[in-house]
Amino acid sequence: QPVLTQSSSASASLGSSVKLTCTLSSGHSSYIIAWHQQQPGKAPRYLMMLERSGSYNKGSGVPDRFSGSSSGADRYLTISNLQSEDEADYYCETWHSNTRVFGGGTKLTVL
Amino acid sequence: EVQLEESGGGLVQPGGSLRLSCAASGFSLSSYWMSWVRQAPGKGLEWVANINQDGSEKYYVDSVKGRFTISRDNAKNSLYLQMNSLRAEDTAVYYCARDVWDGSGWYLFVDYWGQGTPVTVSS
Repeated sequence: QPVLTQSSSASASLGSSVKLTCTLSSGHSSYIIAWHQQQPGKAPRYLMMLERSGSYNKGSGVPDRFSGSSSGADRYLTISNLQSEDEADYYCETWHSNTRVFGGGTKLTVL
Repeated sequence: EVQLEESGGGLVQPGGSLRLSCAASGFSLSSYWMSWVRQAPGKGLEWVANINQDGSEKYYVDSVKGRFTISRDNAKNSLYLQMNSLRAEDTAVYYCARDVWDGSGWYLFVDYWGQGTPVTVSS
């Protein structure tokens, strides 16, 4: 079963860019993942599905500031022109053998 | 607009039961796999169970197997989670979620989330 590893926290300044990482465990580097955002006190929101190739497919209404990319076992979520509302927890997700796996989440602070 | 509205959460004693419901609107429930995902206080997301379109396939996380049952009624546009033998560690917000397959049909992801219903297991 794959393990998704995320840094527990990240921070960046208002108006800057930040790149969050989700790393797939050994043997699962080709897997597709999804990114979700959870703002404080709210339900999660689907952001995008991200392939090994770096191709991604965003959810309805997700701003252009959000993009995805990949390198080997790493799947990235880049947020450009950071806004205060981007301060949130970000989770990656994948699927394997009829089991859903989530990463531990990254708490993003906008300074 | 896709909407998922959970209900049925509350306070229950250890060993007790609860039935969660999720009312779906804005899409045809019968066309989608559906899931329950939970989040314990201050913790991350944990998948609980999911079910295919006609209810013939159901999958569960190991910690709830034999205690929880996922079901659906497409005619009522509703998803359910029957939770028995509840434990303190089941305390969480429970989210109803819609699943979608990627283009290859190998990966299943959540593409819409409900607002969640809280469940507290305590004496």
